[in-house]
Amino acid sequence: SAVISQKPSRDICQRGTSLTIQCQVDSQVTMMFWYRQQPGQSLTLIATANQGSEATYESGFVIDKFPISRPNLTFSTLTVSNMSPEDSSIYLCSVGNWANTEAFFGQGTRLTVV
Amino acid sequence: GQQLNQSPQSMFIQEGEDVSMNCTSSSIFNTWLWYKQDPGEGPVLLIALYKAGELTSNGRLTAQFGITRKDSFLNISASIPSDVGIYFCAGQLQYNQGGKLIFGQGTELSVKP
Repeated sequence: SAVISQKPSRDICQRGTSLTIQCQVDSQVTMMFWYRQQPGQSLTLIATANQGSEATYESGFVIDKFPISRPNLTFSTLTVSNMSPEDSSIYLCSVGNWANTEAFFGQGTRLTVV
Repeated sequence: GQQLNQSPQSMFIQEGEDVSMNCTSSSIFNTWLWYKQDPGEGPVLLIALYKAGELTSNGRLTAQFGITRKDSFLNISASIPSDVGIYFCAGQLQYNQGGKLIFGQGTELSVKP
């Protein structure tokens, strides 16, 4: 399985600011995804990070709030913009390969907005 | 949207007991995955199931892909304290979107030594 590193592992941010989370994989992967896990809840898919094109967002998530970049097959970023306390969550990067249904996760970024 | 109903929500058991949890859905899934999440960590893949009826083991863990493709269960035999954590089922609807998953609500397992 791929080794997935997320940075930062945690942060405390002021409301109204933005935070960019990085996801680095030790091998090339076809698919990269970003999930959100609100406190005590399950995981919800935010978007699919597409290499060289705009990310594909799930219902309820928009690019202005969660801009995503994916410049190559091993790296992606998620920005949480104009944060409010409701954005306090764990944000998780996940990777998989086309037609290979197994998915692996980074350790997550625990975000607290005050 | 699609939902996975996972039960039970939590379990408190004695060390050595067997554990069973399951997920059901009104949708048909092509893949079922079971993950464990420890505090402060991301989910770790335990078992992946690809075919209806498939029964797969990983040590003390056994999982099955339901015949109807709408459900799956996970069993843990002879539980030990390090089994403590949150277990999630996850399903994938389409083959060509590796990693795009729908998650159950999780089962929080507590094991008393």
